[in-house]
Amino acid sequence: ETGVTQTPRHLVMGMTNKKSLKCEQHLGHNAMYWYKQSAKKPLELMFVYNFKEQTENNSVPSRFSPECPNSSHLFLHLHTLQPEDSALYLCASSATGPGANVLTFGAGSRLTVL
Amino acid sequence: GENVEQHPSTLSVQEGDSAVIKCTYSDSASNYFPWYKQELGKRPQLIIDIRSNVGEKKDQRIAVTLNKTAKHFSLHITETQPEDSAVYFCAAGPYGGSQGNLIFGKGTKLSVKP
Repeated sequence: ETGVTQTPRHLVMGMTNKKSLKCEQHLGHNAMYWYKQSAKKPLELMFVYNFKEQTENNSVPSRFSPECPNSSHLFLHLHTLQPEDSALYLCASSATGPGANVLTFGAGSRLTVL
Repeated sequence: GENVEQHPSTLSVQEGDSAVIKCTYSDSASNYFPWYKQELGKRPQLIIDIRSNVGEKKDQRIAVTLNKTAKHFSLHITETQPEDSAVYFCAAGPYGGSQGNLIFGKGTKLSVKP
């Protein structure tokens, strides 16, 4: 384990369901991220949290709702998703400040929307 | 904003040969260039990175070179082994702070044939 844990690892949901993805890090990092990884596309940054505050939202549809209750936990709440939202959702964390560059990724949550 | 192009998308080499993956970036303000390796079904992991104040960095069989003038950087793997088979992602962005503005390439799938 690299210190970033994601659950569930696999999720199948219908378009009308509501589900949540969870991410937890024990690295003492203060920044956490959600990325979307689709086939043959670059990693797409979705949300960034620094010290529990959202600092970036890359035009993500409102059917994805992040929550960061503390610096160690990050959630992605999902509702009324579309089939094209099927992808691997990666959580990552990093330190902040000068020299804080290394992203540590979780293993990802593979989402399938039927 | 930053745009990162990565080539080739797939690369197949014989064990023992060298492999080179190239990336170009558009934003001259970018000064940090990491490379991540993602094995099948696993999380992306940082393998090497370079800052714009150096032109080359080596770590055993892997090396990264940077040409700031031409805005391109490359990953070199020598004496390839089957365990080098993976998808490699380059990224570009500013050094330090949170990584919310790291832009990733689309990835290169490297296959090393025994």
